[in-house]
Parts: sequence; structure tokens; C-alpha cells
Amino acid sequence: SQQGEEDPQALSIQEGENATMNCSYKTSINNLQWYRQNSGRGLVHLILIRSNEREKHSGRLRVTLDTSKKSSSLLITASRAADTASYFCAVDSSYKLIFGSGTRLLVRP
Amino acid sequence: KAGVTQTPRYLIKTRGQQVTLSCSPISGHRSVSWYQQTPGQGLQFLFEYFSETQRNKGNFPGRFSGRQFSNSRSEMNVSTLELGDSALYLCASSLEGQGEGEKLFFGSGTQLSVL
Repeated sequence: SQQGEEDPQALSIQEGENATMNCSYKTSINNLQWYRQNSGRGLVHLILIRSNEREKHSGRLRVTLDTSKKSSSLLITASRAADTASYFCAVDSSYKLIFGSGTRLLVRP
Repeated sequence: KAGVTQTPRYLIKTRGQQVTLSCSPISGHRSVSWYQQTPGQGLQFLFEYFSETQRNKGNFPGRFSGRQFSNSRSEMNVSTLELGDSALYLCASSLEGQGEGEKLFFGSGTQLSVL
């Protein structure tokens, strides 16, 4: 079964708006990572947050991690049409990186 | 530095056949992981190889196998293909492997269609 589950499954926003995606998981983790995938291609790593961190920033990305609630969120600020893609969280647990089902983000120009 | 290279990009096979997919990791990376991606099941972990040894394995039948060579290149084999094996197969590499707090670098994948 999937370790990470993203919510929502799909999100449609206007260019310039913020996009928030959530990820929930089931077991203890070493770290949690977010990846992006464009249209059936390979995944690209976005950001990694360790289990002892609560928040991390990278450019327009902000990731939070709440280990007590076993959840993480990815915020993309000031979205652009080029941000249209699928976003996956991946949980590093038991020496395996297990991916969630993904959130499909559509940014309308 | 060249990225992760997967060949072939597309493959069409018929049920019962077998297939071999190839992955060349980023130079210097010793770990290669394989994932199967389908619309219904998402990304499923197949296995990870590190220094020619399988270090971890997902919940796939024995028809799915792999190996890693001394130059870290990896191959994945699927025997007795079934329709449900149609998927995008993704390979990813990293320096020290999964569980070491590293990010994965993915190839573009091999799209396998089983008819």
C-alpha cells in the first residue's frame, strides 16, 4: 500500500495564486521528499525535509513537516503556467523511498 | 555531467514474452532503484541495487528481476509478460542509496505496452 497519500488529487488555480498540496503518511520516517513530474516523464527532486525539521524553503517552495500528525505540506507561491505538473511526496522509511499517489496541478494562464 | 539514461524509451511486447530494460546511472552513483508507474497504482517500488547487490525489494512477483553490473549500470527483466505489466518503468540513481537521506535522480523512463 502507498505510504504517502497526497491531497487533493487534482488542483486547478490561476497563475499568480498559491498552490498547497498535502501529504499524509503512516509510519516513522527519516525524511520526506517532494518531487515533480511533467507529463509522464521522469521525476525531478524539489526539496527534502528531515524528520527533525519543521519547515524548509527553496525559492518559491515552502515545505512543512508535522511528525506528530504524520503530515507534510508543499506550498508553491506565485504560481506560473510552467508549474503545471504532478507533485509527489516520498517517504524515506525502512531504507525505501515510497511515493504517494500525487497531486495533479494545473496552473491556468 | 550526463543524467540517468534509460533505454529503450518505448517498447511494445505481446503477452508471454519477456523484456529487458536498461539504466545507466549518473557517473559515480552506486545505487540504482527501479519503480513501476501506472495510472491506477501510482509509483510502486520494485527494487534497489547497490554495488551489484540487491539491497531492497518491493512486493512484486518473481517475474520481475534485476541486476547491476560493476560499472553500476542496471538492467531490469520481466518474464512472461501480462497485460497488467503495461506501465512506465522508471530508474533512479543516487550516490549511497535509499535510506541514506539522499535525493534520487530519475531517468525519463521506458514506456512498456503489453498487447
